[in-house]
Amino acid sequence: DIVMTQSPDSLAVSLGERATINCKSSQSVFYSSNNKNYLAWYQQKPGQPPKLLISWASTRESGVPDRFSGSGSGTDFTLTISSLQAEDVAVYYCQQYYSTPYTFGQGTKLEI
Amino acid sequence: QVQLVESGGGLVKPGGSLRLSCAASGFTFSDYYMIWLRQAPGKGLEWVSYISGSGSPINYADSVKGRFTISRDNAKNSLYLQVNSLRAEDTAVFYCARGGTTRAGYFDYWGQGTLVTVSS
Repeated sequence: DIVMTQSPDSLAVSLGERATINCKSSQSVFYSSNNKNYLAWYQQKPGQPPKLLISWASTRESGVPDRFSGSGSGTDFTLTISSLQAEDVAVYYCQQYYSTPYTFGQGTKLEI
Repeated sequence: QVQLVESGGGLVKPGGSLRLSCAASGFTFSDYYMIWLRQAPGKGLEWVSYISGSGSPINYADSVKGRFTISRDNAKNSLYLQVNSLRAEDTAVFYCARGGTTRAGYFDYWGQGTLVTVSS
């Protein structure tokens, strides 16, 4: 199984500042035949289901604010929120879909 | 718009069974892989199972293999999860989610979830 490890477990950032969440996979999730990283990011607010923010490591979903960006390749990935807004308080998860079982990171709790 | 609505959760004794359902609307259901995931109280996300648009292939997490059965009825736009031999550690909110058209992949729409509590 591919183990996904996020850091930090929790993060406090001031409004308007940058937030950076890291995700490391125990093996590469890059598929060379199509040059894609099989890595997604989700946001989960209290009492709500997760919401897909980013797929293929860096492709933002429609309607997701452009302050959210994803980067990285292979085994190391980053979710960046360029200017934190109050509504960004949530738990963020990375997920690999390179192979089953599909696995998630343990989550990073983002607070203000 | 895409909507996924789960039902069927509840309180069940260890060893008991439930059938979870997910009603889908707003997209061509039969085109998509559908997925079940779960989240134990205060914990992270766990993929449980997926099923392709045609009904095969199917895949399960090792933690539920042999106890859970995923199925779908494309005529009714519905996804199901039969959960048997339930254990305390199966207590969780169960979510259905939509995957891709060629593989389960990432999950772009999620339902609100249905809570399964396993307790005597």
